[in-house]
Amino acid sequence: EADIYQTPRYLVIGTGKKITLECSQTMGHDKMYWYQQDPGMELHLIHYSYGVNSTEKGDLSSESTVSRIRTEHFPLTLESARPSHTSQYLCASSGGGTGENTQYFGPGTRLTVL
Amino acid sequence: GQSLEQPSEVTAVEGAIVQINCTYQTSGFYGLSWYQQHDGGAPTFLSYNALDGLEETGRFSSFLSRSDSYGYLLLQELQMKDSASYFCAVIKMDSSYKLIFGSGTRLLVRP
Repeated sequence: EADIYQTPRYLVIGTGKKITLECSQTMGHDKMYWYQQDPGMELHLIHYSYGVNSTEKGDLSSESTVSRIRTEHFPLTLESARPSHTSQYLCASSGGGTGENTQYFGPGTRLTVL
Repeated sequence: GQSLEQPSEVTAVEGAIVQINCTYQTSGFYGLSWYQQHDGGAPTFLSYNALDGLEETGRFSSFLSRSDSYGYLLLQELQMKDSASYFCAVIKMDSSYKLIFGSGTRLLVRP
């Protein structure tokens, strides 16, 4: 059983608000990832981190930012939410004994921006 | 650039065998993974192939042919609970290590 958590699970907010989506894992994994997924569509990598103080942008351009101050924590922040940010955001991690090839996903945050 | 292609939908009956194909085109190819995602749920890892050949895990098997840039997921003895979306994902290793997901195949298992 993977131990990766995301909060909130659902969020409805107004345009222009600043939000932070939380992601935590207790597996000691070095690598963590954020994906964006619209209903019935593929996952797009928006940010990843290979360890503390290491963050990179993914293939899909995103107006969000991330930080990795602690191994277990990888929050994603939107400074000013817009309706185009409405989507599901999935956090994942990999590493440790299971290797780099298996990513464990959190339950996701479904974000709606009005 | 990079691309992955898989069928958008597949329908099969309970107890049958179904094969979901995936073709890919990418630089820095390292391996091919498969993930299952139920509606409203998170993706869960099913299998991984780095070398050519077949990997078997219970009712699920995955195959890779690097020379053909092709792989497939084989599901045997289908059960109703297997109705879900199945994503192939290329593991890329160039300047970084990451997964590139296909658009997913929605599998519907009928009684």
